Amino acid sequence: GQNIDQPTEMTATEGAIVQINCTYQTSGFNGLFWYQQHAGEAPTFLSYNVLDGLEEKGRFSSFLSRSKGYSYLLLKELQMKDSASYLCAVRDGASKIIFGSGTRLSIRP
Amino acid sequence: NAGVMQNPRHLVRRRGQEARLRCSPMKGHSHVYWYRQLPEEGLKFMVYLQKENIIDESGMPKERFSAEFPKEGPSILRIQQVVRGDSAAYFCASSPGQGTDTQYFGPGTRLTVL
Repeated sequence: GQNIDQPTEMTATEGAIVQINCTYQTSGFNGLFWYQQHAGEAPTFLSYNVLDGLEEKGRFSSFLSRSKGYSYLLLKELQMKDSASYLCAVRDGASKIIFGSGTRLSIRP
Repeated sequence: NAGVMQNPRHLVRRRGQEARLRCSPMKGHSHVYWYRQLPEEGLKFMVYLQKENIIDESGMPKERFSAEFPKEGPSILRIQQVVRGDSAAYFCASSPGQGTDTQYFGPGTRLTVL
């Protein structure tokens, strides 16, 4: 079957670091995405991993281990505006993208 | 370069009516994807289209739902005889070419069925 698991909610402190984990089981694998979604808004693209390893982009980094079916999104120097849902998604085949239910991250001062 | 456009942003229909949701992809993008998001849930893939072709409709309900992407004009997601369970946010995404490209999302249409 197809399954993407990520924690439902997380809380972190402004200025700190948080790691959001994602595990997946899909029939095919052709890359993993992380999207950010503020309440009532569209998802916005954060990162894409297709090979094992760490991709760094400013305050955000994403890691992938294909053999373990595992990824994480690392957010550094947290800001209040980072409060949002973070969606892990796997491309299964040429086009179809399967999304997890998202992790709602709350940042406290 | 304008982003993905969707209209209307909010749509209210009574049970049994038809809903038409429109999506204009980003300039230069020829691939369109439709997703549905229920409250507090993740995005669920519905359909993937290129101009005048449906490539993958494995996520579309077999009845009442249809999608098209004509040679000219926006992509349309059509829901006939809406029911309360159709109430959701419907997001459109586009990509420039091959299906492996990153998808960029529109602002969504929030459908409420009374």
